[in-house]
Amino acid sequence: KAGVTQTPRYLIKTRGQQVTLSCSPISGHRSVSWYQQTPGQGLQFLFEYFSETQRNKGNFPGRFSGRQFSNSRSEMNVSTLELGDSALYLCASSRDPTDTQYFGPGTRLTVL
Amino acid sequence: QQQVKQSPQSLIVQKGGIPIINCAYENTAFDYFPWYQQFPGKGPALLIAIRPDVSEKKEGRFTISFNKSAKQFSLHIMDSQPGDSATYFCAASNRYNQGGKLIFGQGTELSVKP
Repeated sequence: KAGVTQTPRYLIKTRGQQVTLSCSPISGHRSVSWYQQTPGQGLQFLFEYFSETQRNKGNFPGRFSGRQFSNSRSEMNVSTLELGDSALYLCASSRDPTDTQYFGPGTRLTVL
Repeated sequence: QQQVKQSPQSLIVQKGGIPIINCAYENTAFDYFPWYQQFPGKGPALLIAIRPDVSEKKEGRFTISFNKSAKQFSLHIMDSQPGDSATYFCAASNRYNQGGKLIFGQGTELSVKP
């Protein structure tokens, strides 16, 4: 069974731009969560989607948003990029919100 | 109250040694405690997980010990190998109220010397 896939794997943007990251969950998984990983703050929860509905949101500004499609694929968007948004963005999928989460390889975002 | 505190930050052991990584939490509503292993350039991979009604769980060379009254849990790696060199994260969640929201510890960078 294929794992969680994330595209693109690497991205370089400049301040003020916006970016969209994509996540395809494991087949049959309907829950997708997003995390931001930085050396200083570690792994921080961004949001969780299940059946196209956002169930949980972490403590991030409104510039961070996401959505989930009917095929369970998810996207997250960051608008008006700041230098501090440089991070590894990880997507994790599970069969449902109470089940084990499996992580993708992440998208490395660099904001210049 | 949502924090998970992990220690040590880094750990160096010789091959065959038993590194121990500790985590502590405050929120008694947490009901699921997984450990993840992350290699450079990869996403975290689930190693082993435990529920608070179990005091110990073993999977291969990895053991979780859980002390509910102390609100602490730890990972032991038996007969450690150089291939175990990675960053380890403990995490906690309140699955039935907050679903997939994992709260992670800060991570422990483990180095196993040959």
